[in-house]
Amino acid sequence: SAVISQKPSRDICQRGTSLTIQCQVDSQVTMMFWYRQQPGQSLTLIATANQGSEATYESGFVIDKFPISRPNLTFSTLTVSNMSPEDSSIYLCSVTGTRSYGYTFGSGTRLTVV
Amino acid sequence: GENVEQHPSTLSVQEGDSAVIKCTYSDSASNYFPWYKQELGKRPQLIIDIRSNVGEKKDQRIAVTLNKTAKHFSLHITETQPEDSAVYFCAAGRNQGGKLIFGQGTELSVKP
Repeated sequence: SAVISQKPSRDICQRGTSLTIQCQVDSQVTMMFWYRQQPGQSLTLIATANQGSEATYESGFVIDKFPISRPNLTFSTLTVSNMSPEDSSIYLCSVTGTRSYGYTFGSGTRLTVV
Repeated sequence: GENVEQHPSTLSVQEGDSAVIKCTYSDSASNYFPWYKQELGKRPQLIIDIRSNVGEKKDQRIAVTLNKTAKHFSLHITETQPEDSAVYFCAAGRNQGGKLIFGQGTELSVKP
């Protein structure tokens, strides 16, 4: 399976600021996804990161709040914009390849907004 | 929209007993059903998955069953051990590379 490097692993941010999270994969993957996991909760899909085009957002998530880039098949970023304490959560990227149904997760970014 | 319901939310068993976690899904086009184990502070790890063309799959102490007609699937862990204690998530997705929708999670506690 793919090896994912996700950065930063954690951060404490002031409200009103923005944080960009990076996801780097060691091999070309077809699909990249961004999830949010609030404390003690399940994983909620934010969006599918599409290479070279706008991300596909799930209901309740918008591009202005969570802009996503995917310039190539191995890299994506998620920005959490104009943060509020409600954005405090773990954010995870997930990838899947061309020959397998298997999905792999990054180690996550623990975000605390104060 | 797509939805995955998972039960129970918590499960406590004695070491050596079996544990069963059940999920139902709403999207009849779903054809891929993975199960993830998440230990505290760690990323979800895939433990077993099943595609819609089979009804059951086993891997040592873990098995998954799928009933497409009823749109439900289950995880069975036999001879549980304390190291099986974790949160387990089911998920459902359609087509290779499609998005996964997760259940709410089950916190399994195996008491020695």
